[in-house]
Amino acid sequence: RKEVEQDPGPFNVPEGATVAFNCTYSNSASQSFFWYRQDCRKEPKLLMSVYSSGNEDGRFTAQLNRASQYISLLIRDSKLSDSATYLCVVNLGTGGFKTIFGAGTRLFVKA
Amino acid sequence: DAMVIQNPRYQVTQFGKPVTLSCSQTLNHNVMYWYQQKSSQAPKLLFHYYDKDFNNEADTPDNFQSRRPNTSFCFLDIRSPGLGDAAMYLCATSRDKTYEQYFGPGTRLTVT
Repeated sequence: RKEVEQDPGPFNVPEGATVAFNCTYSNSASQSFFWYRQDCRKEPKLLMSVYSSGNEDGRFTAQLNRASQYISLLIRDSKLSDSATYLCVVNLGTGGFKTIFGAGTRLFVKA
Repeated sequence: DAMVIQNPRYQVTQFGKPVTLSCSQTLNHNVMYWYQQKSSQAPKLLFHYYDKDFNNEADTPDNFQSRRPNTSFCFLDIRSPGLGDAAMYLCATSRDKTYEQYFGPGTRLTVT
């Protein structure tokens, strides 16, 4: 089992749709969680940190379920400019520190 | 203003010819990371520095080395590049180990 697994994608959605990305992680000692966005041939950019209480930033909502070891990202009212690869990132934290990226889920938003 | 800067943005080297990629940061972050990313794959962590403390990933080839002479700069040395080392190399920084990371624009390495 991979340490961080994401929906394989790609997702093809029309403008205005709501799209949900899912991510599971295998190590219960994981300490911090993030969603990054990566455009083609560009560097990953931080989209959101993910907290147990959930957090929202405009059209984007992230949730963390530690019991199920599951992270989600919801994009509402998707725009053409949301087309990118979305990467789930997990940090194992102190001690045996490790940053693990999921393979990413590609999103295409079409007009 | 750029916060994590990588030079050069594009590097072409010959098979077996040593190459050095550089990264600098204006964030005064404690941790600096080097990642390798190949086409359609996730970034793969090669190593990181926590201050001067170097941490190598177990599966990072010996061909890859790193130096961090001060807080602001970090270098990736590839001693004998092979064709399989052609990739995007990303530098990132974070305030501490469990914090979010900020990436530079990357150096795209071509090996001929």
